[in-house]
Amino acid sequence: DSGVTQTPKHLITATGQRVTLRCSPRSGDLSVYWYQQSLDQGLQFLIQYYNGEERAKGNILERFSAQQFPDLHSELNLSSLELGDSALYFCASNPTGGQNEQYFGPGTRLTVT
Amino acid sequence: DAKTTQPNSMESNEEEPVHLPCNHSTISGTDYIHWYRQLPSQGPEYVIHGLTSNVNNRMASLAIAEDRKSSTLILHRATLRDAAVYYCILRDTTSGTYKYIFGTGTRLKVLA
Repeated sequence: DSGVTQTPKHLITATGQRVTLRCSPRSGDLSVYWYQQSLDQGLQFLIQYYNGEERAKGNILERFSAQQFPDLHSELNLSSLELGDSALYFCASNPTGGQNEQYFGPGTRLTVT
Repeated sequence: DAKTTQPNSMESNEEEPVHLPCNHSTISGTDYIHWYRQLPSQGPEYVIHGLTSNVNNRMASLAIAEDRKSSTLILHRATLRDAAVYYCILRDTTSGTYKYIFGTGTRLKVLA
């Protein structure tokens, strides 16, 4: 158990819908990272937050957005969902956002039908 | 982007040592080399990281070439629980921040 929690575990929704994935980092970790893992693309970095502010951006689509709240939990919002958005979404955290290891949560499996 | 190259798959016998290679010829001077592994149906798990010198921890050892263009993750005695996809990762420096670029990794199969 990494100490990072993600909810929900599974999510099934229809194309065009909007969903919110939630991540609670390890206690004391200020930085949160979001990744998408699909069969054809592998693990892709989406976005990083540090203490409430966006720190780095990866291949995140404009239909996706994220935020980190004052209590340090983070949410990833996915809208206008397409079949290709079906994937595992992982959240990771670490204390400072630097070269320290990242601790990954168990993931949320999103299925878009 | 700083990129790594790893074999797609490797096999090892249980209780034998395993050497997982990684090439990273475009590594920059300040990039650490990170290794993670992903067991089936789980999130990635940190294994080890290093900069220039060889590193050891309870899980594995990391041997880094003198020119830093390659490294090798060493599992000293593979167990069935070590069957996973192993990722060698560098930090992407284009934006000046610490984001990982995961490659396709090496799928390690451990034979009983």
